[in-house]
Amino acid sequence: AQKVTQAQTEISVVEKEDVTLDCVYETRDTTYYLFWYKQPPSGELVFLIRRNSFDEQNEISGRYSWNFQKSTSSFNFTITASQVVDSAVYFCALSEAPDSSASKIIFGSGTRLSIRP
Amino acid sequence: EAGVAQSPRYKIIEKRQSVAFWCNPISGHATLYWYQQILGQGPKLLIQFQNNGVVDDSQLPKDRFSAERLKGVDSTLKIQPAKLEDSAVYLCASSFIRDEQYFGPGTRLTVT
Repeated sequence: AQKVTQAQTEISVVEKEDVTLDCVYETRDTTYYLFWYKQPPSGELVFLIRRNSFDEQNEISGRYSWNFQKSTSSFNFTITASQVVDSAVYFCALSEAPDSSASKIIFGSGTRLSIRP
Repeated sequence: EAGVAQSPRYKIIEKRQSVAFWCNPISGHATLYWYQQILGQGPKLLIQFQNNGVVDDSQLPKDRFSAERLKGVDSTLKIQPAKLEDSAVYLCASSFIRDEQYFGPGTRLTVT
């Protein structure tokens, strides 16, 4: 069965610090997608990234970067030079059998990130 | 482009009462999802529609929850009767490309 674990329940850092959010997943499939979503206080989940299981290249988007390592079943998310606006709950998620109509996304329990000015 | 719309944003009811939530997906999105997010947890899929057909409702408590998507556009999720443990945020999402889901603002339900 698929499972997503975000061991860090809460993280608090001072503005401009770098911070890494950990995500470990379990799946029996060889084909799957991994995601990160941001949930600000307004409550709406904002899509950040989708990564195919066959693409292990790290990705950078501005201050955000993602490190995907199949060997350790991890998909970690780093924010460089954090800002107060980055404060939110971040969810890692997994979708198996992405070409199947029965595919569904399983979310981790989330990491609450607080950036202090 | 307008996002996923949900109403109401907040609802407070007493246990054993009924409640209904409405979702209007992004235009052209054939797939619609309802999630339940209990405080401190990640969203849990309740039901997934492809057009007006149900793809997955394995985690929907069918004795009290029901959902429909008439005409393959808007959707309604109903709880009847509500229990205390149904207090949560109910999120609607829609997608055009598989697995790229766009979420609405959610409806926060409090059952007292």
